Amino acid sequence: QQQVKQSPQSLIVQKGGISIINCAYENTAFDYFPWYQQFPGKGPALLIAIRPDVSEKKEGRFTISFNKSAKQFSLHIMDSQPGDSATYFCAALRGSSNTGKLIFGQGTTLQVKP
Amino acid sequence: GAVVSQHPSWVICKSGTSVKIECRSLDFQATTMFWYRQFPKQSLMLMATSNEGSKATYEQGVEKDKFLINHASLTLSTLTVTSAHPEDSSFYICSASRGGKGSNQPQHFGDGTRLSIL
Repeated sequence: QQQVKQSPQSLIVQKGGISIINCAYENTAFDYFPWYQQFPGKGPALLIAIRPDVSEKKEGRFTISFNKSAKQFSLHIMDSQPGDSATYFCAALRGSSNTGKLIFGQGTTLQVKP
Repeated sequence: GAVVSQHPSWVICKSGTSVKIECRSLDFQATTMFWYRQFPKQSLMLMATSNEGSKATYEQGVEKDKFLINHASLTLSTLTVTSAHPEDSSFYICSASRGGKGSNQPQHFGDGTRLSIL
């Protein structure tokens, strides 16, 4: 019940295309869902995050869609660029806990071809 | 944005050596810091959670005597890998959060330390 399942494992998109990464969770107590971007040899960087009281959040070319009833959320990268090539992790957090522990998905390696 | 500095970025040492990794939050007070381990092409595996001034909480299967964590101030946590062996070679990443019960404070990550044990 603590898992976050992420798909696909890898994704190849042409420049200008839309990249879509999906995550599903089981624990309905999760109430904070961030996405992280990680480049090789670097730590993850917070990209965008959403709380379950909204169904969509957009920041520039990045959009999170959230479906509370289906317990799913996804990251959409519009107009994908070669510089977006990285590994993306979704995560979930139960804010009411006092641990602050993030549960990470398995990661998606995105390659954007020029 | 919040900045977390991790040092060193890369270390190579002989088997049996102890290695200390530092994690500093540069522009905010980190009530909680986390230490992760990441193998190639895999997700982050949480090793332990540390709160300033108290003992770290280790995840199941992580040897607390092997991986010593100290969170002496609101801006600094250290991870010491004691008597390191080749199987301890990995990418270690820290993160820091303003924390607090009931809050959804984001975690901000350092750039990791590549540890290679010969």
